[in-house]
Amino acid sequence: GNSVTQMEGPVTLSEEAFLTINCTYTATGYPSLFWYVQYPGEGLQLLLKATKADDKGSNKGFEATYRKETTSFHLEKGSVQVSDSAVYFCALSPFTGGGNKLTFGTGTQLKVEL
Amino acid sequence: EPEVTQTPSHQVTQMGQEVILRCVPISNHLYFYWYRQILGQKVEFLVSFYNNEISEKSEIFDDQFSVERPDGSNFTLKIRSTKLEDSAMYFCASSTRGERYEQYFGPGTRLTVT
Repeated sequence: GNSVTQMEGPVTLSEEAFLTINCTYTATGYPSLFWYVQYPGEGLQLLLKATKADDKGSNKGFEATYRKETTSFHLEKGSVQVSDSAVYFCALSPFTGGGNKLTFGTGTQLKVEL
Repeated sequence: EPEVTQTPSHQVTQMGQEVILRCVPISNHLYFYWYRQILGQKVEFLVSFYNNEISEKSEIFDDQFSVERPDGSNFTLKIRSTKLEDSAMYFCASSTRGERYEQYFGPGTRLTVT
């Protein structure tokens, strides 16, 4: 079946540091890939997405590139801020021709300190 | 900006009681979903719903669970006889179409079964 593996957290960084959160996936076919963010006490918000190989999703300074050869979708940001502190979830949805259920990773908690 | 809303934000119930969690998806969306997140664990898919019927469900979604779209705006999740292990955050989501289209999540309902 489909699965998503994320790096273990928590990740603690100083403000303006470079962020990488690793995500790899297992899926048949050509899934779409997503990063969702969950701020404390809130629901899930879509951060970025990519729907085919070599696509780069980007939003709010975050980027992730769909790498089919390495089945990866690592999240990066060049300079994190305290306001980026949240839990980040990598997810995939299969291309099955119907409604798409999301399969999530375990989430990676990011804490950014001054 | 349109958003998915959920009520109540927190529900406390006794074991064996029935609960109904309510969601109002974004108005022009066609696909509806329920997910749950047990504290500290990953977000898990429960069920997807399209064209007034279940399109997919997980093994978690057993006979105790049911979903309904009773009118043109609400989407409900009913748990017939709650168990302690049903305690979780329940998220509703909706999307315009199926595969490759992002799902928009509500803020969640925290269900506590005592």
